[in-house]
Amino acid sequence: AQRVTQPEKLLSVFKGAPVELKCNYSYSGSPELFWYVQYSRQRLQLLLRHISRESIKGFTADLNKGETSFHLKKPFAQEEDSAMYYCALKPSGYSSASKIIFGSGTRLSIRP
Amino acid sequence: DAGVTQSPTHLIKTRGQHVTLRCSPISGHKSVSWYQQVLGQGPQFIFQYYEKEERGRGNFPDRFSARQFPNYSSELNVNALLLGDSALYLCASTDGDFPYQETQYFGPGTRLLVL
Repeated sequence: AQRVTQPEKLLSVFKGAPVELKCNYSYSGSPELFWYVQYSRQRLQLLLRHISRESIKGFTADLNKGETSFHLKKPFAQEEDSAMYYCALKPSGYSSASKIIFGSGTRLSIRP
Repeated sequence: DAGVTQSPTHLIKTRGQHVTLRCSPISGHKSVSWYQQVLGQGPQFIFQYYEKEERGRGNFPDRFSARQFPNYSSELNVNALLLGDSALYLCASTDGDFPYQETQYFGPGTRLLVL
């Protein structure tokens, strides 16, 4: 079954500490992976996607097909990073392309 | 552009009633997707429409239906409401041509409470 697992509901770290939000997926093909973020009182928005291999707001994520993981990392957390983070998977294939699967989310809290 | 807009923002219904939720995509976007987000969970895919045709359907009962209009706005209809339908309903629009779309732009959601 296709599934995205975010094992931590809440992650609390001090400002300046490294951050790693875990995401594991279950999918037999070659999916596209995304991280979405929702800041307080704002809409859900795309943070980054694996095919772009980009760094957004200091965050990076590497797709590890062997471990079926797509963990989100930032070396030095900032208070404005406090938000809800969702990992999402877009299946490959024409018939499945629309059925994006989201994880249950991790709330990141940065302590001053 | 105000981004994706949804109406109403909040809604209270009783069991057995019917509800219609509305979504207007970003100008130029031809695709709209609907998601249900139950408290404490991530969004769950319900439907995607592209160029007024259904392109994907999630694991939801037939009580859920949707359509897309010529101006690309969309409606989500839910019949015979159950308590478990209480959730935040999100709409997202996507640019590009199906199935190559990637970035979804989400609306603020409609919060539905079924009593």
